Amino acid sequence: KAGVTQTPRYLIKTRGQQVTLSCSPISGHRSVSWYQQTPGQGLQFLFEYFSETQRNKGNFPGRFSGRQFSNSRSEMNVSTLELGDSALYLCASRWDNTDTQYFGPGTRLTVL
Amino acid sequence: TQLLEQSPQFLSIQEGENLTVYCNSSSVFSSLQWYRQEPGEGPVLLVTVVTGGEVKKLKRLTFQFGDARKDSSLHITAAQPGDTGLYLCAGVRPRNTPLVFGKGTRLSVIA
Repeated sequence: KAGVTQTPRYLIKTRGQQVTLSCSPISGHRSVSWYQQTPGQGLQFLFEYFSETQRNKGNFPGRFSGRQFSNSRSEMNVSTLELGDSALYLCASRWDNTDTQYFGPGTRLTVL
Repeated sequence: TQLLEQSPQFLSIQEGENLTVYCNSSSVFSSLQWYRQEPGEGPVLLVTVVTGGEVKKLKRLTFQFGDARKDSSLHITAAQPGDTGLYLCAGVRPRNTPLVFGKGTRLSVIA
């Protein structure tokens, strides 16, 4: 069974630009969560989508948004990029009513 | 406020040594998970401990959940270079709420 896939794996943007990251969950998983990982703050929760609806949201500004499609694939968008948005963005999926997250390899975003 | 504090943040040891990593909180969790993350990859679940006082063993790794379900430890016996990575603990709260992650312990085992 294929794992969680994320595209692209690496991305370089400049301040003020916007970016869209994509995540394909494990087949059958309807929950997709997004995390930002930085050396200073660790893994921080961005949001979770379940059946195309945002179920949980972390403490991030409105520049960070996401959506989920009917096939459970998810995208997150960051508008007006700032230097501090440079991070590894991880996507994770899980079965309904379980707690085990299956993570993708992440997208490394660098903002110059 | 970091709900889960991990210590130490960094650990560099020689192959064959033993080590313990701690994960502490003032909050009670329904269960606690340990993940390992290697460079260029996402975290991978190692174990979930559910019951207060529970001890689980995974080869040379021993995981313990505190009696009050607020803290946990990971002990590695005779560490090997393959154990190198970032170890993350994650607290599980009521169903369908986000996991709470510690900042991690970066372990380096030198041959």
